[in-house]
Amino acid sequence: QVQLQESGPGLVNPSETLSLSCTVSGGSFSSYYWSWIRQPPGKGLEWIGYINFRGTTKDNPSLKSRVTLSIDMSKNQFSLRLTSVTAADTAVYFCAREGVAVAAIDYWGQGTLVTVSS
Amino acid sequence: DIQMTQSPSSLSASVGDRLTITCRASQSISSHLNWYQHRPGKAPKLLIYGASSLQSGVPSRFSGSGSGTDFTLSISGLQPEDFAIYYCQQSYNIPWTFGQGTRVEIK
Repeated sequence: QVQLQESGPGLVNPSETLSLSCTVSGGSFSSYYWSWIRQPPGKGLEWIGYINFRGTTKDNPSLKSRVTLSIDMSKNQFSLRLTSVTAADTAVYFCAREGVAVAAIDYWGQGTLVTVSS
Repeated sequence: DIQMTQSPSSLSASVGDRLTITCRASQSISSHLNWYQHRPGKAPKLLIYGASSLQSGVPSRFSGSGSGTDFTLSISGLQPEDFAIYYCQQSYNIPWTFGQGTRVEIK
């Protein structure tokens, strides 16, 4: 059974960088896209971006190049950095796995709340 | 970006009911439409991919249909564990986008 677990600070100061990691267990790390999705309080889901095992990335243009995705196959981890955060970046952040042949997100972490506040 | 609009935004139903949730895309997305279930405090769960294919392990009371711009998720014989929020998502064009969600509550 594939499991994903987000980790990182729950509180980030405005204008600083949000950094989260996701540890994957129970499955192959290659041949998938590894994704980040977020949900601001009371709002819908927003796709942030994904990375594959080769380090190829796609991200959401709405985040205006503030996103960096990375992957560490030796640790079965992938990571998100979001720079210059504001209160609008306060959200539950989910890491997830997306198939390549089938473009659907088949496994999700439980999510971690990140609050941007001083 | 492709806008996804779900209706209704919420509904009340009883155990055993059949219900249908609709998702409309702002442009044609062929069959690149997925449905997810999200229970509070749990990881979201993939139910349907490619508009109508049932994800492995998902009960057969869930079904999906549609293509182009109009899609539906149906649940026949609603069970207590089905009370949740349901989201559609298009995987036709990046950025992937989600509907705003449909909350299914107990009547």
